[in-house]
Amino acid sequence: NAGVMQNPRHLVRRRGQEARLRCSPMKGHSHVYWYRQLPEEGLKFMVYLQKENIIDESGMPKERFSAEFPKEGPSILRIQQVVRGDSAAYFCASSPPGQGAFYNEQFFGPGTRLTVL
Amino acid sequence: AQSVTQLDSQVPVFEEAPVELRCNYSSSVSVYLFWYVQYPNQGLQLLLKYLSGSTLVKGINGFEAEFNKSQTSFHLRKPSVHISDTAEYFCAVSDGEGGKLIFGQGTELSVKP
Repeated sequence: NAGVMQNPRHLVRRRGQEARLRCSPMKGHSHVYWYRQLPEEGLKFMVYLQKENIIDESGMPKERFSAEFPKEGPSILRIQQVVRGDSAAYFCASSPPGQGAFYNEQFFGPGTRLTVL
Repeated sequence: AQSVTQLDSQVPVFEEAPVELRCNYSSSVSVYLFWYVQYPNQGLQLLLKYLSGSTLVKGINGFEAEFNKSQTSFHLRKPSVHISDTAEYFCAVSDGEGGKLIFGQGTELSVKP
C-alpha cells in the first residue's frame, strides 16, 4: 500500500527554465494539496485540487505557477521561468473523499527539493 | 484569518526528560488542530489531531496534546523523550473550507544523550 509518491526528489534548474513536480496520491484519495516550505520556515499552502478541478488556489503566486490534477495520472505543479526565490521544498499531500477533507488526515509525500541556480 | 504561532524555534532536551512544545492559534471559526513531525529530508507524519470531544488527545510515539480553548493553545507533550524523537515538529490548524492546513513555523526538538 504505497504512500504519496513525489518525483523527482531533487530537481536542479537554471534561472528561466521550467520545473515540473509530480505527485501521485495514495490509492483511493481524490484530494490533493500542494505546500511549499522555504528555508527556515513552515509549510505554506499553495493549492487544493480534486480530479480535474482546482478547488482553492489562494496560495499560488499569480504568475508562473500552475497546477493540475487530471482524470488519469499524477498531479503536476508547474513553475515556469524559475527564479532563485523559487528554491524550496515542495510537498504534496492527499486525503480520501467524504466528510470534508478537514476531517481526514492529510498524508504527505517526501517532497521535491527544488534548487534554482 | 487563521494563524498559528509556535513560540520556540529550538528546544534542546536531554534523553528521558519531559518536553513541551508550545503552540498558540487564532481562529474565528471552529478549530481543528494538528501536530506533525518531520524527520530530516522526509515528509510530514501526523502525530495527533483534535477535531472535537475530549480536550486531551493522545497520539503516536507517546505524544499527547491538550486543547485549551480559553488560552487558544494546543501544546504538545511527552513525559520522556528518546534520541529518536529528534526532529522538526509543526503545529497546524485546518481551514474549515476545504481543509487546507495553516502551519506554524516549526520547533526543532533536539534530544541529547
